[in-house]
Amino acid sequence: GAVVSQHPSWVICKSGTSVKIECRSLDFQATTMFWYRQFPKQSLMLMATSNEGSKATYEQGVEKDKFLINHASLTLSTLTVTSAHPEDSSFYICSAVLAGRTDTQYFGPGTRLTVL
Amino acid sequence: AQKVTQAQTEISVVEKEDVTLDCVYETRDTTYYLFWYKQPPSGELVFLIRRNSFDEQNEISGRYSWNFQKSTSSFNFTITASQVVDSAVYFCALNSGAGSYQLTFGKGTKLSVIP
Repeated sequence: GAVVSQHPSWVICKSGTSVKIECRSLDFQATTMFWYRQFPKQSLMLMATSNEGSKATYEQGVEKDKFLINHASLTLSTLTVTSAHPEDSSFYICSAVLAGRTDTQYFGPGTRLTVL
Repeated sequence: AQKVTQAQTEISVVEKEDVTLDCVYETRDTTYYLFWYKQPPSGELVFLIRRNSFDEQNEISGRYSWNFQKSTSSFNFTITASQVVDSAVYFCALNSGAGSYQLTFGKGTKLSVIP
């Protein structure tokens, strides 16, 4: 149980295009999802907290107009990287918290974004 | 403020050796949770263990064991008889539990098990 999927698993795009990444909780409802970014050989950096039905909360230094987050249902959150540039190339990971539980995040497999 | 320190950046061991990964944390909260995650080369984070601040019992799961000591704010992870499949980056993480779901991650320890 507690499986989180991400789609796509990898994507290559041209500079200036927008890319949407989906995060789904497959067998549970998630009122809260998180989006992380991980550069090579570094730790996870929290980008934003996504709550179902409300606006996402972004961490300091993360551009909300650049990284659009939508959490339209209890099983789906999306991250859209708008007008992507090479410096946005990274590994993006989402996680979900089981509704009613606050103690454990379940992570998706990650999406590797490469912007040419 | 919360902080998790994994002082060991990289460790290499020969297969079948035991290895301990260190984790030291800082928090002002009395209720909190500690986690260990494994990130193999594929990138997916694998949940290994969750421990709450009121449970200081050590835990053993197969070749894995965890030593939680509140007196030293440490939550160390030992792999016994390491195997090549244990090669990965291991992250220790802290959640304050005070109504927040957020995790504070350490910088990770890259473990390489040499056959």
